[in-house]
Amino acid sequence: QSVLTQPPSASGTPGQRVTISCSGSSSNIGGNYVFWYQQVPGAAPKLLIYSNDRRPSGVPDRFSGSKSGTSASLAISGLRSEDEADYYCATWDDSLRAVFGGGTKLTVL
Amino acid sequence: QVVLQQWGAGLLKSSETLSLTCAVQGESLTDYYWTWIRQSPGRGLEWIGEISHRGDTDYNPSLKSRVTMSIDTSENQFSLRLTSVTAADTAIYYCARGRAPVVVTAVFNPWGPGTLVTVSS
Repeated sequence: QSVLTQPPSASGTPGQRVTISCSGSSSNIGGNYVFWYQQVPGAAPKLLIYSNDRRPSGVPDRFSGSKSGTSASLAISGLRSEDEADYYCATWDDSLRAVFGGGTKLTVL
Repeated sequence: QVVLQQWGAGLLKSSETLSLTCAVQGESLTDYYWTWIRQSPGRGLEWIGEISHRGDTDYNPSLKSRVTMSIDTSENQFSLRLTSVTAADTAIYYCARGRAPVVVTAVFNPWGPGTLVTVSS
């Protein structure tokens, strides 16, 4: 059971906008930056969003992140087939460790 | 471009010690913490811990009693040891570049390719 709560699955059709939520508490998301990782099957996770809403170079601006209170969200607009992957949120927790969400499997219909 | 390569034994028996090493290419170990993360179907992604170039470490409290991380700046490598493994330690183990020393965050970028470690009873 993960410290951060994500929906196990999400889906959308090409061109649609989808959002993935990540819920935590005051001891983690509430006081720390949130990061998002994308993992395609058979590969290691890749940093997608850092410091709540910043994109590393090379990440399309179709991906955006936000945080409010003890929750965060990842939005993907203009959905494409190559966006089909698992998405994980992560943050630091006051228990002196980094913590992850359980992951959301995104299916492009 | 920073590239991480990792290696170590992939099949262990219960009670043995897991040992993995991660070599960093394209970056000195000086400016970041270096981390180990594991992933299993039952436990998802789990942060194991981090180490600085000076050897300062932070470990996940749930694994602290069994984990040791070390670093070799001359070889630009860092390593993980996990003692007394059980089937619950079966997972893909990833090394990753972690945070800068200034602020504690959950940034991991890039990641190594991962090593599947299977523990049999």
